[in-house]
Amino acid sequence: GESVGLHLPTLSVQEGDNSIINCAYSNSASDYFIWYKQESGKGPQFIIDIRSNMDKRQGQRVTVLLNKTVKHLSLQIAATQPGDSAVYFCAETINQAGTALIFGKGTTLSVSS
Amino acid sequence: NAGVMQNPRHLVRRRGQEARLRCSPMKGHSHVYWYRQLPEEGLKFMVYLQKENIIDESGMPKERFSAEFPKEGPSILRIQQVVRGDSAAYFCASSAGTGRTEAFFGQGTRLTVV
Repeated sequence: GESVGLHLPTLSVQEGDNSIINCAYSNSASDYFIWYKQESGKGPQFIIDIRSNMDKRQGQRVTVLLNKTVKHLSLQIAATQPGDSAVYFCAETINQAGTALIFGKGTTLSVSS
Repeated sequence: NAGVMQNPRHLVRRRGQEARLRCSPMKGHSHVYWYRQLPEEGLKFMVYLQKENIIDESGMPKERFSAEFPKEGPSILRIQQVVRGDSAAYFCASSAGTGRTEAFFGQGTRLTVV
């Protein structure tokens, strides 16, 4: 079935390093993707989004890359900080109307000082 | 401008009771989504509503679960005759438009069935 998933369930980095979190999706019709950050006990928080007519989008310290050929999405965090420690989810729309999002299981990012 | 408000934050129910979860979207948002998150799992889409209408309920269990978003008041996710397997965090999100716009999430309601 169609699914969105992340390659690694956990990622540990040192403070100041760059982090790369990956996501593979299987629905080639998806045209809108979002990365969310979820801290313990809280709801998901929007980080950055990208539409399928783009390959790259940059925000503050974050960059999302989209490779439609291999259906791969990545989130890059520059100069990772302890406050970045959280679970990161990628999400895609699951139908043409864009009425819902589907989430992978998440990657837990741990940042040590 | 308050964010998405969910209440209660924590809810404990005995097996067989009913659980009612409430979600007030952000001001100006007329689209509401409900998701369920099991421990150590990602979020699973349940239902998408606009005011007074269910648009997509493809993720809702066929029995015991229902959702509404009345003209006035919050959206309600209702679970009848709860079972232990219903224990999870239930998140609500709202947006100003369809899924291709940013959705904001509430803090969630953590349901525990004992």
